[in-house]
Amino acid sequence: QQQVKQSPQSLIVQKGGISIINCAYENTAFDYFPWYQQFPGKGPALLIAIRPDVSEKKEGRFTISFNKSAKQFSLHIMDSQPGDSATYFCAASTAGNTPLVFGKGTRLSVIA
Amino acid sequence: NAGVTQTPKFQVLKTGQSMTLQCAQDMNHEYMSWYRQDPGMGLRLIHYSVGAGITDQGEVPNGYNVSRSTTEDFPLRLLSAAPSQTSVYFCASSYDLGDRRGSGANVLTFGAGSRLTVL
Repeated sequence: QQQVKQSPQSLIVQKGGISIINCAYENTAFDYFPWYQQFPGKGPALLIAIRPDVSEKKEGRFTISFNKSAKQFSLHIMDSQPGDSATYFCAASTAGNTPLVFGKGTRLSVIA
Repeated sequence: NAGVTQTPKFQVLKTGQSMTLQCAQDMNHEYMSWYRQDPGMGLRLIHYSVGAGITDQGEVPNGYNVSRSTTEDFPLRLLSAAPSQTSVYFCASSYDLGDRRGSGANVLTFGAGSRLTVL
């Protein structure tokens, strides 16, 4: 049973456009929702994260939108740039010493 | 400050051979974990450890062993390699954000990965 469902699997966006990646979860005990960014040949790195007590978090061009009632959260990349081309993973975890559960990833390509 | 160091970066094995993927971190993180990454499957947790002497199974533990004798090191052992274990392996360590009591797996620092091919 996949605990975090991520879509789309791949995404192509024009330079300057908005990239949107969605994730859905079932476990209402999740209380931390990070996004990781992975460039080819590298390990993933934390990009931005949110707690369920807020509906939105913005860091530069990256925004997480969180809908607790729908059990969904999404990553928005404004003014997408070719340098944003990477694989993005959403994840979730519960309180306590429990590991992160990752979505299957979205491969983003930003074309000029 | 090296972060998380994985060795080797590349390895080719024959079916049935054994090997150990090494992982070391110099950030004094209590929590360490191993993931495998396969196309279309995302990051799947193999084993994790919340501190020296403590290990636990993740989503896909079969065929892998781990131990945690020190805070710094968390090796992953393949006892009898199979072609299904062909993958890219990532080690990660993490620290507690500090704003949530009892957590320990929130901000992961990943190594650069080890690409394993089993023939």
